[in-house]
Amino acid sequence: GIQVEQSPPDLILQEGANSTLRCNFSDSVNNLQWFHQNPWGQLINLFYIPSGTKQNGRLSATTVATERYSLLYISSSQTTDSGVYFCAAEVSGGYNKLIFGAGTRLAVHP
Amino acid sequence: DAGVIQSPRHEVTEMGQEVTLRCKPISGHNSLFWYRQTMMRGLELLIYFNNNVPIDDSGMPEDRFSAKMPNASFSTLKIQPSEPRDSAVYFCASSGQRNEQYFGPGTRLTVT
Repeated sequence: GIQVEQSPPDLILQEGANSTLRCNFSDSVNNLQWFHQNPWGQLINLFYIPSGTKQNGRLSATTVATERYSLLYISSSQTTDSGVYFCAAEVSGGYNKLIFGAGTRLAVHP
Repeated sequence: DAGVIQSPRHEVTEMGQEVTLRCKPISGHNSLFWYRQTMMRGLELLIYFNNNVPIDDSGMPEDRFSAKMPNASFSTLKIQPSEPRDSAVYFCASSGQRNEQYFGPGTRLTVT
């Protein structure tokens, strides 16, 4: 089946720093999503991004489907950005089933 | 929109008891997913429904687990009998035509 790999597994930032999280997937996908799991455990949608680039405030994401990767950019990081970031790819013909990566754990220190 | 609603938010029960978790998907969504998250195994897909029909239950760990979706606005995940190793956070998620999944707040289950 499809493999979804995220890097780095862990990331520590000083408040105000920028970072890039990467998601590689092993096969063609219909869709890709980024989620943020905050320290309270909530899983929050960040981006629905099968291709192209989207921006939402300090966050932006780019998916290059032909090269099978997606990037999540966090600029001017804040302590509230801490948590785990997951990417998830939708399997073709999979009735909307998402395959999740293992996540990138981000800690932003003041 | 109220988002995906799950109940209860926390459940503590003794080994051997029956546990029922509930989920109300976002109105208009036609796919519903049950996940389990633990430190050891991460986020696992247990079962998912499309138009109230179970499509893939290969992630259900054992026969002790069952899930139903009697209508488009309600689903249950039942564990009978429960065991300590079932302790986890159980998430429900739903998606619509755009295939964008939205997660509920989760149910934290503790089996003693």
